[in-house]
Amino acid sequence: EVQLVESGGGLVQPGGSLRLSCAASGFTFISYEINWVRQAPGKGLEWVSYIRSSGTISYADSVKGRFTISRDDAKNSLYLQMNSLRAEDTAVYYCVRAIPAAINWFDPWGQGTLVTVSS
Amino acid sequence: QSVLTQPPSVSGAPGQRVTISCTGSSSNIGARYDVHWYQQLPGTAPRLLIYANNNRPSGVPDRFSGSKSGTSASLAITGLQAEDEADYYCQSYDSNLSGYVFGTGTKVTVL
Repeated sequence: EVQLVESGGGLVQPGGSLRLSCAASGFTFISYEINWVRQAPGKGLEWVSYIRSSGTISYADSVKGRFTISRDDAKNSLYLQMNSLRAEDTAVYYCVRAIPAAINWFDPWGQGTLVTVSS
Repeated sequence: QSVLTQPPSVSGAPGQRVTISCTGSSSNIGARYDVHWYQQLPGTAPRLLIYANNNRPSGVPDRFSGSKSGTSASLAITGLQAEDEADYYCQSYDSNLSGYVFGTGTKVTVL
């Protein structure tokens, strides 16, 4: 069974840092682009970042310069280092696999990990 | 800020047909980029519902269908059921933003 399990969420003060992890299983992790997508409480979905098997990385403008995505293919794991956190970064963060296509789609999604930025 | 616009809500009685629009622009849907749809049941993570405009993954009922034309896409649910009450999101890619984009989301209510 293909599975993605996020961890590392929690409460952090504005300006603080947090590192999210995503453990993958059930597929050849090294072959896939993996993304972070977030959802603020009661709001819609927002794409955050991707990292491709080639190492190519992209970020949404809202997190560029503050967040860093990385992967450890030996450990089948994805990470998101979040620095200079703001209240508007409060959200459930989902780890999602991208299925390669003309325009990739996301399947499956992890269960999400909640990040709360508040003093 | 979502660049794909969806109606905030749609509703219908059991058995009826509802449609959800997803309106973009020349830098995303209008650029002939495929559109995908996700269903998010209350309190759960989203799941893939439709991929590449009009394809259903295994396990998705054929009550769900998708289409795309010009700068818009649509999701149709025929024979609406109580279990279809959820939030629905479209997704594509935007060349101006160089990243994936989601629709604003639509809440479907079964009356």
